[in-house]
Amino acid sequence: QVLLVQTGAEVKEPGASVEVSCKASGYTFTNYGFHWVRQAPGQGLEYMGWISALSGHTNFAQKFQGRVTMTTDSSTNTAYMELRSLRSDDTAVYFCARSSSWLYHFDFWGQGTLVTVSS
Amino acid sequence: EIVLTQSPGTLSLSPGERATLSCRASQSVSSSYLAWYQQKRGQAPRLLIYGGSHRATGIPDRFSGSGSGTDFTLTISRLEPEDFAVYYCQQYGSSPVTFGGGTKLEIK
Repeated sequence: QVLLVQTGAEVKEPGASVEVSCKASGYTFTNYGFHWVRQAPGQGLEYMGWISALSGHTNFAQKFQGRVTMTTDSSTNTAYMELRSLRSDDTAVYFCARSSSWLYHFDFWGQGTLVTVSS
Repeated sequence: EIVLTQSPGTLSLSPGERATLSCRASQSVSSSYLAWYQQKRGQAPRLLIYGGSHRATGIPDRFSGSGSGTDFTLTISRLEPEDFAVYYCQQYGSSPVTFGGGTKLEIK
Protein backbone atom coordinates (compact mmCIF):
# COMPACT_ATOMS: atom_id res chain seq x y z
CA GLN A 1 0.00 0.00 0.00
CA VAL A 2 1.04 3.60 -0.52
CA LEU A 3 2.81 5.09 2.49
CA LEU A 4 4.41 8.48 3.00
CA VAL A 5 6.44 8.62 6.21
CA GLN A 6 7.79 11.94 7.39
CA THR A 7 10.57 12.82 9.81
CA GLY A 8 9.84 13.56 13.44
CA ALA A 9 9.19 16.89 15.14
CA GLU A 10 11.79 19.65 14.98
CA VAL A 11 12.51 22.66 17.18
CA LYS A 12 14.43 25.49 15.56
CA GLU A 13 15.53 28.96 16.56
CA PRO A 14 14.44 32.01 14.56
CA GLY A 15 16.66 32.53 11.53
CA ALA A 16 17.57 28.86 11.23
CA SER A 17 16.61 26.41 8.49
CA VAL A 18 14.66 23.17 8.69
CA GLU A 19 14.54 20.21 6.33
CA VAL A 20 11.59 17.85 6.42
CA SER A 21 11.77 14.52 4.62
CA CYS A 22 9.00 12.34 3.21
CA LYS A 23 9.87 8.72 2.42
CA ALA A 24 7.54 7.03 -0.06
CA SER A 25 6.79 3.36 -0.52
CA GLY A 26 4.24 1.14 -2.22
CA TYR A 27 4.38 2.67 -5.71
CA THR A 28 6.76 3.75 -8.47
CA PHE A 29 8.34 6.89 -7.05
CA THR A 30 8.99 8.73 -10.31
CA ASN A 31 5.41 8.32 -11.57
CA TYR A 32 4.23 10.97 -9.14
CA GLY A 33 5.25 14.23 -7.52
CA PHE A 34 4.89 15.83 -4.14
CA HIS A 35 3.07 18.83 -2.85
CA TRP A 36 3.90 20.42 0.48
CA VAL A 37 1.20 21.95 2.66
CA ARG A 38 1.44 23.42 6.14
CA GLN A 39 -1.04 23.99 8.94
CA ALA A 40 -0.41 26.45 11.76
CA PRO A 41 -1.86 25.49 15.16
CA GLY A 42 -5.65 25.65 15.03
CA GLN A 43 -5.62 27.01 11.49
CA GLY A 44 -6.44 25.81 7.98
CA LEU A 45 -4.29 24.37 5.21
CA GLU A 46 -1.72 26.55 3.44
CA TYR A 47 -0.22 25.49 0.12
CA MET A 48 3.55 25.76 -0.29
CA GLY A 49 4.50 24.18 -3.61
CA TRP A 50 5.13 21.14 -5.78
CA ILE A 51 8.00 19.05 -7.11
CA SER A 52 7.96 16.44 -9.84
CA ALA A 53 9.80 13.28 -8.78
CA LEU A 54 10.52 12.55 -12.46
CA SER A 55 11.94 15.84 -13.69
CA GLY A 56 12.64 17.77 -10.49
CA HIS A 57 10.53 20.64 -11.85
CA THR A 58 9.19 22.81 -9.06
CA ASN A 59 6.43 25.34 -8.64
CA PHE A 60 6.20 27.38 -5.45
CA ALA A 61 3.49 29.53 -3.96
CA GLN A 62 4.58 33.15 -4.25
CA LYS A 63 4.68 33.57 -0.46
CA PHE A 64 7.49 31.01 -0.16
CA GLN A 65 9.55 31.78 -3.26
CA GLY A 66 13.18 32.46 -2.34
CA ARG A 67 12.83 30.83 1.06
CA VAL A 68 11.91 27.24 0.19
CA THR A 69 13.72 24.45 -1.65
CA MET A 70 12.14 21.17 -2.66
CA THR A 71 14.12 18.17 -3.87
CA THR A 72 13.67 14.45 -4.41
CA ASP A 73 16.05 11.48 -4.29
CA SER A 74 14.88 8.55 -6.40
CA SER A 75 17.61 6.29 -4.97
CA THR A 76 15.88 6.43 -1.58
CA ASN A 77 12.35 7.32 -2.72
CA THR A 78 12.41 10.41 -0.53
CA ALA A 79 11.21 13.96 -1.02
CA TYR A 80 12.64 16.89 0.93
CA MET A 81 11.43 20.36 1.79
CA GLU A 82 13.82 22.95 3.23
CA LEU A 83 12.51 26.22 4.65
CA ARG A 84 15.05 28.92 5.50
CA SER A 85 15.11 32.07 7.62
CA LEU A 86 12.54 30.64 9.99
CA ARG A 87 10.24 32.94 11.93
CA SER A 88 7.87 32.24 14.79
CA ASP A 89 4.91 32.26 12.39
CA ASP A 90 6.47 29.32 10.53
CA THR A 91 5.50 27.15 13.50
CA ALA A 92 3.19 24.59 11.93
CA VAL A 93 2.65 20.99 10.95
CA TYR A 94 4.16 20.39 7.54
CA PHE A 95 2.61 17.73 5.29
CA CYS A 96 3.82 16.10 2.10
CA ALA A 97 1.17 14.78 -0.26
CA ARG A 98 1.38 12.66 -3.40
CA SER A 99 -0.07 13.85 -6.69
CA SER A 100 0.05 12.77 -10.32
CA SER A 101 0.78 16.26 -11.53
CA TRP A 102 1.30 19.87 -10.56
CA LEU A 103 -2.40 20.68 -10.93
CA TYR A 104 -4.06 17.57 -9.59
CA HIS A 105 -5.70 16.34 -6.42
CA PHE A 106 -3.62 14.94 -3.55
CA ASP A 107 -4.43 11.25 -3.08
CA PHE A 108 -2.12 10.26 -0.21
CA TRP A 109 -0.65 12.35 2.59
CA GLY A 110 2.21 11.94 5.02
CA GLN A 111 1.42 11.98 8.72
CA GLY A 112 2.81 15.49 9.18
CA THR A 113 5.88 16.96 10.89
CA LEU A 114 5.56 19.58 13.61
CA VAL A 115 8.13 22.33 13.25
CA THR A 116 8.34 24.69 16.21
CA VAL A 117 10.25 27.94 15.84
CA SER A 118 11.17 29.39 19.19
CA SER A 119 14.12 31.02 20.90
CA GLU B 1 -5.37 33.35 -7.12
CA ILE B 2 -8.75 31.70 -6.63
CA VAL B 3 -10.19 32.27 -3.16
CA LEU B 4 -12.43 29.52 -1.81
CA THR B 5 -15.04 30.42 0.80
CA GLN B 6 -16.59 27.59 2.78
CA SER B 7 -19.85 27.81 4.66
CA PRO B 8 -20.96 27.39 7.28
CA GLY B 9 -17.89 27.70 9.45
CA THR B 10 -19.39 25.24 11.93
CA LEU B 11 -22.25 22.82 11.36
CA SER B 12 -23.90 21.12 14.34
CA LEU B 13 -25.87 17.99 13.48
CA SER B 14 -26.78 14.62 14.96
CA PRO B 15 -25.82 11.16 13.71
CA GLY B 16 -28.25 10.01 11.03
CA GLU B 17 -28.90 13.53 9.75
CA ARG B 18 -27.91 14.91 6.36
CA ALA B 19 -25.03 17.37 6.08
CA THR B 20 -24.63 19.90 3.28
CA LEU B 21 -21.35 21.81 3.06
CA SER B 22 -20.76 24.64 0.61
CA CYS B 23 -17.63 25.87 -1.18
CA ARG B 24 -17.79 29.02 -3.30
CA ALA B 25 -14.94 30.12 -5.56
CA SER B 26 -14.01 33.71 -6.44
CA GLN B 27 -13.57 32.60 -10.09
CA SER B 28 -14.77 29.66 -12.11
CA VAL B 29 -12.88 26.46 -11.26
CA SER B 30 -11.44 24.95 -14.42
CA SER B 31 -12.93 21.59 -15.46
CA SER B 32 -14.41 21.07 -12.00
CA TYR B 33 -10.93 20.54 -10.58
CA LEU B 34 -12.37 20.70 -7.09
CA ALA B 35 -11.56 18.26 -4.29
CA TRP B 36 -12.85 17.71 -0.78
CA TYR B 37 -10.75 16.46 2.13
CA GLN B 38 -11.66 15.30 5.62
CA GLN B 39 -9.34 15.99 8.53
CA LYS B 40 -9.74 14.55 12.00
CA ARG B 41 -7.93 15.99 15.00
CA GLY B 42 -4.23 15.18 14.96
CA GLN B 43 -4.38 13.48 11.57
CA ALA B 44 -3.49 14.33 8.01
CA PRO B 45 -6.25 15.26 5.58
CA ARG B 46 -7.85 12.42 3.63
CA LEU B 47 -9.10 12.73 0.06
CA LEU B 48 -12.85 12.21 -0.22
CA ILE B 49 -13.90 13.67 -3.57
CA TYR B 50 -11.98 14.81 -6.66
CA GLY B 51 -13.08 16.27 -9.98
CA GLY B 52 -16.06 17.78 -8.22
CA SER B 53 -18.00 14.53 -7.91
CA HIS B 54 -15.76 11.46 -8.03
CA ARG B 55 -15.35 9.51 -4.80
CA ALA B 56 -11.82 8.50 -3.92
CA THR B 57 -10.98 4.85 -3.38
CA GLY B 58 -12.59 3.42 -0.26
CA ILE B 59 -14.86 6.38 0.43
CA PRO B 60 -18.41 5.33 1.44
CA ASP B 61 -21.22 6.25 -0.92
CA ARG B 62 -22.90 8.41 1.73
CA PHE B 63 -20.36 11.06 0.63
CA SER B 64 -21.18 12.86 -2.61
CA GLY B 65 -19.91 15.95 -4.37
CA SER B 66 -21.68 18.19 -6.84
CA GLY B 67 -21.45 21.57 -8.50
CA SER B 68 -19.56 23.40 -11.20
CA GLY B 69 -18.20 26.81 -12.03
CA THR B 70 -18.04 28.70 -8.76
CA ASP B 71 -20.42 26.73 -6.52
CA PHE B 72 -19.69 23.28 -5.13
CA THR B 73 -21.33 21.14 -2.47
CA LEU B 74 -20.30 18.18 -0.34
CA THR B 75 -23.23 16.14 0.94
CA ILE B 76 -23.09 13.44 3.59
CA SER B 77 -26.42 11.63 3.33
CA ARG B 78 -26.59 10.03 6.79
CA LEU B 79 -24.01 11.07 9.32
CA GLU B 80 -22.05 8.38 11.10
CA PRO B 81 -20.17 9.12 14.35
CA GLU B 82 -16.82 8.93 12.52
CA ASP B 83 -17.87 11.69 10.09
CA PHE B 84 -17.56 14.47 12.63
CA ALA B 85 -14.40 16.28 11.55
CA VAL B 86 -13.21 19.32 9.61
CA TYR B 87 -13.78 19.40 5.84
CA TYR B 88 -11.74 21.40 3.34
CA CYS B 89 -12.38 22.10 -0.31
CA GLN B 90 -9.46 22.61 -2.67
CA GLN B 91 -9.21 23.87 -6.24
CA TYR B 92 -6.41 22.58 -8.42
CA GLY B 93 -7.47 23.95 -11.78
CA SER B 94 -5.25 26.99 -11.68
CA SER B 95 -2.02 27.94 -9.99
CA PRO B 96 -1.59 28.33 -7.13
CA VAL B 97 -3.59 25.48 -5.66
CA THR B 98 -5.80 26.93 -2.92
CA PHE B 99 -7.84 25.59 -0.02
CA GLY B 100 -10.98 26.85 1.61
CA GLY B 101 -10.94 27.80 5.26
CA GLY B 102 -12.76 24.64 6.33
CA THR B 103 -16.11 23.64 7.80
CA LYS B 104 -16.14 22.01 11.23
CA LEU B 105 -18.84 19.36 11.47
CA GLU B 106 -19.64 18.81 15.13
CA ILE B 107 -22.04 16.61 17.05
CA LYS B 108 -25.16 18.42 18.20
